Amino acid sequence: EAQVTQNPRYLITVTGKKLTVTCSQNMNHEYMSWYRQDPGLGLRQIYYSMNVEVTDKGDVPEGYKVSRKEKRNFPLILESPSPNQTSLYFCASRQYGLADNNEQFFGPGTRLTVL
Amino acid sequence: QKEVEQDPGPLSVPEGAIVSLNCTYSNSAFQYFMWYRQYSRKGPELLMYTYSSGNKEDGRFTAQVDKSSKYISLFIRDSQPSDSATYLCAMSATGNQFYFGTGTSLTVIP
Repeated sequence: EAQVTQNPRYLITVTGKKLTVTCSQNMNHEYMSWYRQDPGLGLRQIYYSMNVEVTDKGDVPEGYKVSRKEKRNFPLILESPSPNQTSLYFCASRQYGLADNNEQFFGPGTRLTVL
Repeated sequence: QKEVEQDPGPLSVPEGAIVSLNCTYSNSAFQYFMWYRQYSRKGPELLMYTYSSGNKEDGRFTAQVDKSSKYISLFIRDSQPSDSATYLCAMSATGNQFYFGTGTSLTVIP
């Protein structure tokens, strides 16, 4: 089954404790992206990657890091989480090309709480 | 000013009604326009995609883009209870960086 998977699905942590949220896709997509979703603010893009070793900032990159060492994986790293990073996080992937329909396939989400 | 503005609702309609959802935007460089549907506790799913201006129809759904007014719409005909969800508009200038609206919560009452 074609899908985007995220782990963990739920995480409660404390301020300053480094964490990584993993994202993996099995559709051989070049493009991958991370979003956070907050009430009243909607989905906001954190980082995106157009291919292996190619990443760029989205709208709200502060406090986050990413790496793209393999095509299928795009982990999101919070080096020193703070309570304002409490949010619902989504990973997405899509085929990259001018002729496509820009359809992003989203993972199931990771609910992160930082105390 | 936000890149994309969307009325959060909530919107409640009877089954069979025509639903109109709208977004406005400020960046004239946007050329890719999308509508996503998000069910509770799920990730968004692409519903409609339009490149540049014009209309696109798919079954009960019609997407319209008016670039001169910086305004996009999604119409749902013969709405069904299964259409109850949050609808998100999304836009992009390059196809790499995407901007989403806050979402409109829709409930279709049987």
